[in-house]
Amino acid sequence: DAKTTQPNSMESNEEEPVHLPCNHSTISGTDYIHWYRQLPSQGPEYVIHGLTSNVNNRMASLAIAEDRKSSTLILHRATLRDAAVYYCILRDEMNYGGATNKLIFGTGTLLAVQP
Amino acid sequence: NAGVTQTPKFQVLKTGQSMTLQCAQDMNHEYMSWYRQDPGMGLRLIHYSVGAGITDQGEVPNGYNVSRSTTEDFPLRLLSAAPSQTSVYFCASSYSIRDYGYTFGSGTRLTVV
Repeated sequence: DAKTTQPNSMESNEEEPVHLPCNHSTISGTDYIHWYRQLPSQGPEYVIHGLTSNVNNRMASLAIAEDRKSSTLILHRATLRDAAVYYCILRDEMNYGGATNKLIFGTGTLLAVQP
Repeated sequence: NAGVTQTPKFQVLKTGQSMTLQCAQDMNHEYMSWYRQDPGMGLRLIHYSVGAGITDQGEVPNGYNVSRSTTEDFPLRLLSAAPSQTSVYFCASSYSIRDYGYTFGSGTRLTVV
């Protein structure tokens, strides 16, 4: 299974941009890159996903390297509410029902936001 | 629209007891799944269902049973609780297994003594 590597923790200051990196050197051509986050004492929350092109939504932006072996989740202006564990997950969108289509979580990056 | 509702929020069991964790969603989602999260670890998939009457195993299915008799409900049964099953359990649902955005419940914190 394709795996992702993320830093264990990062710190940011409030109202500054945050770049959360994710390495996935063994990504396959049909793997989508998904990001979820988990606020303290809550279930995970979908953030964004993409395949090849950079993606933007109201929560964040996803920048994907040209070779797709890494990606970066960008929070444009961090708030205290963004303090959470961020998970970068690869999911095979072609293998529906197969092992690689499951949403498999790693340990993620714990983001601390300082006021 | 309540989303994904899990009950109970907290539970303490004695070793060997059985119980059912409830999960219900009101979004007409076909795909539902159960995860467990242990301290300092990511979520691990226990069982999942792609529709009523269809279930399958995830990464860590041993000690757990599921059934899916309706679209709305996906209960998780612990047949004989063990201390190793002490964890936080999350239920998730999505429109289909192909859907990119899963909706998670707020979790059930289970302690087995």
